Amino acid sequence: GESVGLHLPTLSVQEGDNSIINCAYSNSASDYFIWYKQESGKGPQFIIDIRSNMDKRQGQRVTVLLNKTVKHLSLQIAATQPGDSAVYFCAESPRNTDKLIFGTGTRLQVFP
Amino acid sequence: DTAVSQTPKYLVTQMGNDKSIKCEQNLGHDTMYWYKQDSKKFLKIMFSYNNKELIINETVPNRFSPKSPDKAHLNLHINSLELGDSAVYFCASSQGGDTGELFFGEGSRLTVL
Repeated sequence: GESVGLHLPTLSVQEGDNSIINCAYSNSASDYFIWYKQESGKGPQFIIDIRSNMDKRQGQRVTVLLNKTVKHLSLQIAATQPGDSAVYFCAESPRNTDKLIFGTGTRLQVFP
Repeated sequence: DTAVSQTPKYLVTQMGNDKSIKCEQNLGHDTMYWYKQDSKKFLKIMFSYNNKELIINETVPNRFSPKSPDKAHLNLHINSLELGDSAVYFCASSQGGDTGELFFGEGSRLTVL
């Protein structure tokens, strides 16, 4: 059984609603940010990325917002579906490094 | 075809043993990584190799020794396993440069008894 993730922040949303997952990053030298989705028993999968010269980027049903002033990143998922249930991680990459530093993760639960 | 594949998927072993996890990527990427995910789902980078050369070593105990025989492979060998080594280990690769996206394997769950 999976006892991991019990201390993860959890967001519960109803199917069809919009979800907003927030993340605070730490390094003001970070210039590249990514959101990853991790389903149970799988590796993290890329959702969407954004560079520091932008403040918004849209994908299919997802939007990432970047506020560099307060070092905040958010992921918006439109019309949330059961298949969106997973743990979501933000990650930052400091300038001139190949390092990707992950945040603590948020569990998204979608109920009918 | 699996882009980043790692074996074994599950590994159960006794304290004090030595074990290895293998990783291969067929994406033609130059950079490969090992990440450790603990029981609280926290993902922490351990190592990074670029074209067989070590570029990141995040103060990991020297019981952990990565080996990259070529740029498509990055194996992780762990000596004298301890209980705290129990975790899921993820291999990843990226093209590097301006493309920062990492492609992850499915993970190898290591349980030390």
